[in-house]
Amino acid sequence: EADIYQTPRYLVIGTGKKITLECSQTMGHDKMYWYQQDPGMELHLIHYSYGVNSTEKGDLSSESTVSRIRTEHFPLTLESARPSHTSQYLCASRDRAYTEAFFGQGTRLTVV
Amino acid sequence: AQSVTQPDIHITVSEGASLELRCNYSYGATPYLFWYVQSPGQGLQLLLKYFSGDTLVQGIKGFEAEFKRSQSSFNLRKPSVHWSDAAEYFCAVAANNAGNMLTFGGGTRLMVKP
Repeated sequence: EADIYQTPRYLVIGTGKKITLECSQTMGHDKMYWYQQDPGMELHLIHYSYGVNSTEKGDLSSESTVSRIRTEHFPLTLESARPSHTSQYLCASRDRAYTEAFFGQGTRLTVV
Repeated sequence: AQSVTQPDIHITVSEGASLELRCNYSYGATPYLFWYVQSPGQGLQLLLKYFSGDTLVQGIKGFEAEFKRSQSSFNLRKPSVHWSDAAEYFCAVAANNAGNMLTFGGGTRLMVKP
């Protein structure tokens, strides 16, 4: 069983609010990722990190930001939520280059 | 950069029938290959992976996949599908270098008829 957790699981929030999606893993993995996924659609990488103080933007442009102050924690922040941000956000972590990624349960965000 | 194609967006099979989900990749060398399954509203669970060695790999839940270098394919198979296998299936590829990224295919939605 993978030890990677996302909170909240579901979030409904008004336009213009600031939100932070939490992601934590207890496996000591250096690599962490955020993916955005619309229902029934493919995964798009929006942010990744190779370790503490390392963050990079992914393939899909996103208005969100991330931080990596501790190995186990990789939060994603939206400064001003908009309806276009409505989606599922999946966090993942990985140990070494030749291993699989472990995924959290996801956060389903709805901006009204 | 690598890429992954899953040609079938939807597949419907009868319970008890065999299943094959297709995955084709583009990469200059032998990549690392993965199959994940996603139930509605959930994260992704690893079914199986290929790094090297035997080209036929066994996974969880009775799934297997075969790496075919000549066809740049990594198709997922199951001899007898159960209703609980209905889900979204994603193929993923990663380059075999230290800074590799996982690239996912578009997914195939499997529906199982009773």
